[in-house]
Amino acid sequence: EAQVTQNPRYLITVTGKKLTVTCSQNMNHEYMSWYRQDPGLGLRQIYYSMNVEVTDKGDVPEGYKVSRKEKRNFPLILESPSPNQTSLYFCASSPAGGDSSPLHFGNGTRLTVT
Amino acid sequence: AQTVTQSQPEMSVQEAETVTLSCTYDTSESDYYLFWYKQPPSRQMILVIRQEAYKQQNATENRFSVNFQKAAKSFSLKISDSQLGDAAMYFCAYRIGGTSYGKLTFGQGTILTVHP
Repeated sequence: EAQVTQNPRYLITVTGKKLTVTCSQNMNHEYMSWYRQDPGLGLRQIYYSMNVEVTDKGDVPEGYKVSRKEKRNFPLILESPSPNQTSLYFCASSPAGGDSSPLHFGNGTRLTVT
Repeated sequence: AQTVTQSQPEMSVQEAETVTLSCTYDTSESDYYLFWYKQPPSRQMILVIRQEAYKQQNATENRFSVNFQKAAKSFSLKISDSQLGDAAMYFCAYRIGGTSYGKLTFGQGTILTVHP
């Protein structure tokens, strides 16, 4: 089954404790990205990747890191989480060149930073 | 920068009735795509319908249709014969044509409640 798999689904942590949210897709998509969803703001792009070893900042990259060492994986790293990073996070993927192709989303990770 | 605005934070509809969700966007591009996504309580992001800006004909998917007014930069979603399963958060989204690297710009979302 074609899918984007995110883990964990829920995560509660404390300020400053490094964490990683994993994302994997099995559709051989070139493009992968991370979004955060906050009430009243919709979804905003954090980082995106065009292909292996090629990443760039989205609209709200502060406090986050990403890496793309393999085509299928695109982890999101919070090296020193803060309470303002409490949010719902989505990983998404899409094929290159398919502008009308919809994004394939993971099921989301609810992160709480206390 | 492109922006997408959904001015209705919440909407409600009676089962079997019709409801329209509003969306406006701002762009100087001529090549772009518009989408409506549904997010039920399960948090999944489900594509409802998509519209290519170069197409004049409004997209339709079963009970879902759009009213795409390119000059007015408006992209509303009409849900006919509403069902209880339509209750969800709905997001309007914009994607520039060409090299977008998969980036979507989302509106704030509209929570739709369906009353039996």
